This record gives sequence, C-alpha cells and structure tokens, in this order.
Amino acid sequence: DTGVSQDPRHKITKRGQNVTFRCDPISEHNRLYWYRQTLGQGPEFLTYFQNEAQLEKSRLLSDRFSAERPKGSFSTLEIQRTEQGDSAMYLCASSPGQGENEKLFFGSGTQLSVL
Amino acid sequence: QKEVEQNSGPLSVPEGAIASLNCTYSDRGSQSFFWYRQYSGKSPELIMSIYSNGDKEDGRFTAQLNKASQYVSLLIRDSQPSDSATYLCAVNVPGTYKYIFGTGTRLKVLA
Repeated sequence: DTGVSQDPRHKITKRGQNVTFRCDPISEHNRLYWYRQTLGQGPEFLTYFQNEAQLEKSRLLSDRFSAERPKGSFSTLEIQRTEQGDSAMYLCASSPGQGENEKLFFGSGTQLSVL
Repeated sequence: QKEVEQNSGPLSVPEGAIASLNCTYSDRGSQSFFWYRQYSGKSPELIMSIYSNGDKEDGRFTAQLNKASQYVSLLIRDSQPSDSATYLCAVNVPGTYKYIFGTGTRLKVLA
C-alpha cells in the first residue's frame, strides 16, 4: 500500500491552456474524491466517484472542469481554458467505504499555477 | 452562516500544555466528524474520526462531540512543537457523498 498518488506535483500553465491531473487511489478503495484548496482555506469539494460512476459534482464547478474514472481505478481531472482563479492545490482522496471506514486518505496534491 | 466554522487562530500554547481546538457545524443531520492535521505545504492527514456523542481518545488526542450543541472539539495533551500545524475539522453533508471542511485553526506550540 503506497498511499494515494497524484501526478504531477506541480503544474505551471498559461491562461487559456488545458491541463490534466492524474490520481491513483489506494488499490482497495472504491471511493474517490477530488478537492481544491487555496491558501488559508479548507479543502473545497469538487466531485466524487464510487468505482467508475461519478455520483456527485459540486454545483460550484464550471463546465470547464471534467473528471473521469474509467475503470474504477485511477482518475483524471481536466480543466479546460484555464483561468487565473483556477490556481490552487488540487487534492485527490480515496476512502475504503462507509461507517468507520469512511475516512479520507489524501494524496500529496497537484499545485496548479495559472499565469 | 458557514457550514463548518473554526477559529483561524493562531492558537499559541506552550510545550507540554493542552491545546483545545473547536469546530461548530450547521447541519443537525451530520453524523460523521473528522479532524485532519495539515503541515504547511503538505496535504491533510487524518487524526481522529468520531461518530457518537461523547469523548474518543487516541494517544495524546481526544475528540469530543456534542450533537445537541453542534459542536466538535479536539484536545491535544502534552503538546509538542511537532504538533504545530493547521487543524481542519470536516463534517459529512447528509444526503450527499461530500464532506465539508472548515478553514482550519493554526496551532503553534512554543518550545
């Protein structure tokens, strides 16, 4: 068990470009979350997958954001036409289940800077 | 009203003292409560989870939950400089799959 892995660790892009981030959850976890965190704030929920199904998406998320988890294993988060306001740490978390197992295990995050 | 509220701090305590961190939440239906520790530049790390009213102890950490008052707290006994971090409170949102985080309380343990 190597924990939740995210790639890349850092991404610098120009406004208007598209970016894609990858998350590999803990292998036996079927629940996967994407969160976004800016300086001085707590993580903000973006979307949730149970296996390959995207069951919830934040209403705050614009149409420029899309996420997939094609085979119920790794997930990708794509941001199209990036804006400076998208600059943040993008965190992926996985969870083994419900009840006492609903704890979130976070990856190291991808720090996005939009110039 | 924010869904999960925490005092941003910083909360400064001397080494060896008890640090008390507090969190209030707005949805009475919430059932799952978590405390995460986040060092600067790192991702959140789970410290404690609590689901029932009362206290739950794990080593130097005690989580306290009072659903009637919509209040959850974290006590850190014998605080160490290595405990200096931001502590995030997270609460489930009933009827959804998401967890809402507070803005965190920055704790400084002074040697």
